[in-house]
Amino acid sequence: AQSVTQLDSQVPVFEEAPVELRCNYSSSVSVYLFWYVQYPNQGLQLLLKYLSGSTLVKGINGFEAEFNKSQTSFHLRKPSVHISDTAEYFCAVSLGGQGGKLIFGQGTELSVKP
Amino acid sequence: DGGITQSPKYLFRKEGQNVTLSCEQNLNHDAMYWYRQDPGQGLRLIYYSQIVNDFQKGDIAEGYSVSREKKESFPLTVTSAQKNPTAFYLCASCSSGTAYNEQFFGPGTRLTVL
Repeated sequence: AQSVTQLDSQVPVFEEAPVELRCNYSSSVSVYLFWYVQYPNQGLQLLLKYLSGSTLVKGINGFEAEFNKSQTSFHLRKPSVHISDTAEYFCAVSLGGQGGKLIFGQGTELSVKP
Repeated sequence: DGGITQSPKYLFRKEGQNVTLSCEQNLNHDAMYWYRQDPGQGLRLIYYSQIVNDFQKGDIAEGYSVSREKKESFPLTVTSAQKNPTAFYLCASCSSGTAYNEQFFGPGTRLTVL
């Protein structure tokens, strides 16, 4: 069965520091990959997605992610975080079809401190 | 503006009562989903529907029921059989016209059982 693992449940970081949120998935077939952000008491908002082509994907709010097929990873990065980036981040995988279902990781809580 | 609305934002229920959460979308999406979110557990799929008058159980359907009488609407009923219903509930939708299943989320409903 396919699964998604977010390797860190919490990531504390100081403002203006770089950050990487790690995501690994298990699948033997081609996948589509997503990162979503959730601010407190809100729904999920798409940050970026990898569908095909260039393995480096740029998203909103200065985030980017790199798809690594050999390591089955899709880590999210930002070179300099702001207080406003404090939120929960979810990695998700789609196999396409399958009823349109996404498989979500457990989430990583990013806490940016001044 | 196109989007997904969920109501109410906060809902309180006494034990033993059924309660219905509303989800409406005007994105003309065929597929709709209900997720439950508990702290540290990510998103768990309750039910999903790919087309009007049809729906499938997700991973944690016990104690929940849904209907899909209109394309725009996918209400979720939390029944008295759900043993621990206090959680944050998220509705999402997806276009069946793409292969990659990007889901769009509503703002969520927080249900508290008193």
